[in-house]
Amino acid sequence: RKEVEQDPGPFNVPEGATVAFNCTYSNSASQSFFWYRQDCRKEPKLLMSVYSSGNEDGRFTAQLNRASQYISLLIRDSKLSDSATYLCAVNLLTGGGNKLTFGTGTQLKVEL
Amino acid sequence: ETGVTQTPRHLVMGMTNKKSLKCEQHLGHNAMYWYKQSAKKPLELMFVYSLEERVENNSVPSRFSPECPNSSHLFLHLHTLQPEDSALYLCASSQDRGLDQPQHFGDGTRLSIL
Repeated sequence: RKEVEQDPGPFNVPEGATVAFNCTYSNSASQSFFWYRQDCRKEPKLLMSVYSSGNEDGRFTAQLNRASQYISLLIRDSKLSDSATYLCAVNLLTGGGNKLTFGTGTQLKVEL
Repeated sequence: ETGVTQTPRHLVMGMTNKKSLKCEQHLGHNAMYWYKQSAKKPLELMFVYSLEERVENNSVPSRFSPECPNSSHLFLHLHTLQPEDSALYLCASSQDRGLDQPQHFGDGTRLSIL
């Protein structure tokens, strides 16, 4: 089983739609979680950290479900500019220090 | 504008060449990282430096040699690369190696090996 798994998509949604992605992780000792956005041929950019209580930033809401070992990202009122690949990242403390493991990403295409 | 800058943006080299990738961070961070991103694969962590000391080497072939002369600069020296080394190489930095510290990425060097 992969350490971090995401549905690669693409998710094709109309402008204004609400879309949600999940990301599952295999190690129950994982301790911190992040969502990144990566545009085509660009670097990943931090979108938001994911807190245990869930957090919201404008149209974006991130949640953590430790029992089922997944994090989610909800995008409301999606815009054309939201089209990108969304990477989840999971941080785990190992013998060598903390290790951030990324998923392969979920591609979102927002259409007119 | 990113606080982490990488040069060059693109690099084409033959298998016998020697080149170096450069990364500079302007964020006052103490930890820096090299990642490799190949098509359809997740980011692969290559090296981790904390306070200029290498703290992690993820079984990376010796044809990749990192150097961290100070906390703001990170290099990746390349020699005798293979075609499968063609990828996007990303540098990142974080405040420290705390679990709650996100990493911030440079815009990468797209490397093609002929």
